[in-house]
Amino acid sequence: EVQLLESGGGLVQPGGSLRLSCAVSGFTFTNYAMYWVRQAPGKGLEWVSGINGGGTNTWHADSVQGRFTISRDKSTNTLYLQMKSPRADDTAVYYCAKGLGSGWAALDIWGRGTMVTVSS
Amino acid sequence: IVLTQSPGTLSLSPGERATLSCRASQSVYTSYLAWYQQKPGQAPRLLIYGVSNRATGIPDRFSGSGSGTDFTLTINGLEPEDFAVYYCQQYGNSQWTFGRGTKVEIK
Repeated sequence: EVQLLESGGGLVQPGGSLRLSCAVSGFTFTNYAMYWVRQAPGKGLEWVSGINGGGTNTWHADSVQGRFTISRDKSTNTLYLQMKSPRADDTAVYYCAKGLGSGWAALDIWGRGTMVTVSS
Repeated sequence: IVLTQSPGTLSLSPGERATLSCRASQSVYTSYLAWYQQKPGQAPRLLIYGVSNRATGIPDRFSGSGSGTDFTLTINGLEPEDFAVYYCQQYGNSQWTFGRGTKVEIK
């Protein structure tokens, strides 16, 4: 069974740092692109970052470019999102999601999400 | 690319047809357009990808159509479990975007 399990969310101060993890199982990790999508409380979905199957290409939304970094570790089948200098408007549930293919693709499997609250 | 979904809310009865619109501010590359369903407290679920391809396990009452900048999700014969929020998404460039969603509620 394909499973994505996010962790690492919590309360972080503005200007601090936080690393989200997404443990993956049930499929060949390196064959698929992986993504982070967030949802602020009561709001819609916002794509955050993506990384191709081989980990050689990454994409970030303009709103997080230069502050967030996506990465993946094929030895542990884990996806990461390093958040630096978070702001109040980064407060959201962060979902990791699997792409249908190794590059740009729709998101066919989603985790349950982890909540990040940015506040002093 | 900005995706504009309409209407914001659709009030329908079970058994009726739902027609949801998604309009893009510019042409979506290679038909990289998807639709997702989200229920309260749950993660989104992929319904349609590549404009018109149903994802695994999605009933055939869901169908997608369109091209260029105008796309439609149709639900034929609403079931009680279909009342939810629906999002369109384009993934045809390096800045993916979602629409703001259409809520399908019970009339």
